[in-house]
Amino acid sequence: DFQMTQSPSSLSASVGDSVTITCRASQTISTYLNWYQQKAGKAPKLLISGASGLQGGVPSRFSGGGSGTYFSLTISSLQPEDFATYFCQQSYSVPPTFGQGTKVEI
Amino acid sequence: EVQLLESGGKLVQPGGSLRLSCAASGFTFRTYAMSWARQAPGKGLEWVSGVSGSGGVTKYADSVKGRFIISRDNSKHTLSLQMNSLRAEDTAVYYCAKSLSGDYLSDAFDIWGQGTVVTVSS
Repeated sequence: DFQMTQSPSSLSASVGDSVTITCRASQTISTYLNWYQQKAGKAPKLLISGASGLQGGVPSRFSGGGSGTYFSLTISSLQPEDFATYFCQQSYSVPPTFGQGTKVEI
Repeated sequence: EVQLLESGGKLVQPGGSLRLSCAASGFTFRTYAMSWARQAPGKGLEWVSGVSGSGGVTKYADSVKGRFIISRDNSKHTLSLQMNSLRAEDTAVYYCAKSLSGDYLSDAFDIWGQGTVVTVSS
């Protein structure tokens, strides 16, 4: 199975800050990398697919990049509604696997 | 509106069985692979099982292989997960999820249900 490792596990930031979360795959996955946002008690929400493809309705302050084994999610100008946990997920092979999550706190 | 609605979660004793269901609406159900994923309390996300659009291909995480069975009824737009020989470590919120791109078992998941809680405890 492909192991996905996110860093950091948590971070503290302020409204207006820019933050970057990284995700590393144990083997190359091309750009088969997706990012999700999850708020407490809610289902995950797909933000980005294919490493950099923003889903409809997702604000443009979210951006993703990377390929191979190293990926990043950047949130520019954090808004109050962005404080949540973020997960990466590889869709290169079955089983699809998730990173352990990064909690973005105020 | 595209929607998934899970049901069936409850408290069950170790070694017991449970069947989860997921009702889909708002999209052409048979053309999309579907999956179950779970999240143990305070933990991350774990993909559990997936099924192709026709139902002919099924895959499982090693942690549930041989104990769980995924199936789908395309005429009723429903996805099911039969869970047998349940263990304490199966305690989690179970989500059904729709593949983004079509009939791909390993894909991004663009639609998730609200989740159903399974607790395995004596």
